Amino acid sequence: GNSVTQMEGPVTLSEEAFLTINCTYTATGYPSLFWYVQYPGEGLQLLLKATKADDKGSNKGFEATYRKETTSFHLEKGSVQVSDSAVYFCALSDRDTGNQFYFGTGTSLTVIP
Amino acid sequence: DTGVSQNPRHKITKRGQNVTFRCDPISEHNRLYWYRQTLGQGPEFLTYFQNEAQLEKSRLLSDRFSAERPKGSFSTLEIQRTEQGDSAMYLCASSSQLARETQYFGPGTRLLVL
Repeated sequence: GNSVTQMEGPVTLSEEAFLTINCTYTATGYPSLFWYVQYPGEGLQLLLKATKADDKGSNKGFEATYRKETTSFHLEKGSVQVSDSAVYFCALSDRDTGNQFYFGTGTSLTVIP
Repeated sequence: DTGVSQNPRHKITKRGQNVTFRCDPISEHNRLYWYRQTLGQGPEFLTYFQNEAQLEKSRLLSDRFSAERPKGSFSTLEIQRTEQGDSAMYLCASSSQLARETQYFGPGTRLLVL
């Protein structure tokens, strides 16, 4: 079946530090992969996506590359800011299952000044 | 584009009562999804509609849960005889015909069953 395993948190970093949040997946078909972000008190917002192998999604300085050989989609940012403090969710969508999303458990990130 | 909206944003009810939530998707998005998110977990799929047709339901959706999308626009999710275990955030998302793989989420309805 489909599932997403995400690096457990919480993660605390100093401002301008490098961020990596690991995400691996299992899928029966050819999924699209996503990172969503949830800021305190707000809904899920699409951060970036990749729809096929070797695609790189990027947005707001965040990047993730769809690695089929390692079934991974790790999120990275070179220099985090306090405003990046949020919960990050890795997810996959598989058209063979109606494009329903399978989410990881989320990783809480706190960036301190 | 006003985004996905959900009402109410918060609901407190007593065990055994019925509750109904509403979701208005992005205009002309033909797919609508419901998810449930409990504290510290990622959202879990409940059901989805393509236009007015309910195409799939998760085993999480017990017979106390029912969802409708009568005109292919807004949707309602009803929980009958609520239980304390139903306390969660209920999320709605929609996607378009041209970009089915990308879903846009509403702010959610937080349910607390006392």
